[in-house]
Amino acid sequence: GAGVSQSPSNKVTEKGKDVELRCDPISGHTALYWYRQRLGQGLEFLIYFQGNSAPDKSGLPSDRFSAERTGESVSTLTIQRTQQEDSAVYLCASSSRGLAGVGTGQTQYFGPGTRLLVL
Amino acid sequence: GDSVTQMEGPVTLSEEACLTINCTYTATGYPSLFWYVQYPGEGLQLLLKATKADDKGSNKGFEATYRKETTSFHLEKGSVQVSDSAVYFCALSEMNRDDKIIFGKGTRLHILP
Repeated sequence: GAGVSQSPSNKVTEKGKDVELRCDPISGHTALYWYRQRLGQGLEFLIYFQGNSAPDKSGLPSDRFSAERTGESVSTLTIQRTQQEDSAVYLCASSSRGLAGVGTGQTQYFGPGTRLLVL
Repeated sequence: GDSVTQMEGPVTLSEEACLTINCTYTATGYPSLFWYVQYPGEGLQLLLKATKADDKGSNKGFEATYRKETTSFHLEKGSVQVSDSAVYFCALSEMNRDDKIIFGKGTRLHILP
């Protein structure tokens, strides 16, 4: 597609429920990133995919958070047993970063985000 | 670990005023530096970037120079417009890692007509 898309755009859930957030990256982009933006805070890195594997999961805040990517395309971020502190905007970004071990500084293109509210 | 510190907002200016938003960073390697902008109701967009010391990034009248000696990347614009009202994020990405971005907390800018 023309840009990164995310769904749903808004999600309200009750504490303790599971939620799934979806990201469709720009076609052909091999790298995909998830970030979280809590109110009044900067963006926090959560996880990075290169293709379908996740070499860096260091930002996932707890084992309630998991993510997967299939077909080197769509990614889903799952939050189990949601807590009120999980309320945030979850942003996805993609880039054309290659497989080389060295960073390339490729521009990351961001989606509009999913606004999650846990009641 | 790596970090980015930027001036807290909100910053309120009149149209055609001069803007500076300060940003300093801490990094162990040789980062690329970025300014991202988030307009009301829109997604995060890259405004400008610089990949090595003394590089100047520029876009839409905004400029920032990568200063390794002061570990700074201040955002400047000589004459702001109402349409520049947005949240601005300073950020870095390490060149020898996975390109994940470390963001500052953001500075909200209000431009009054």
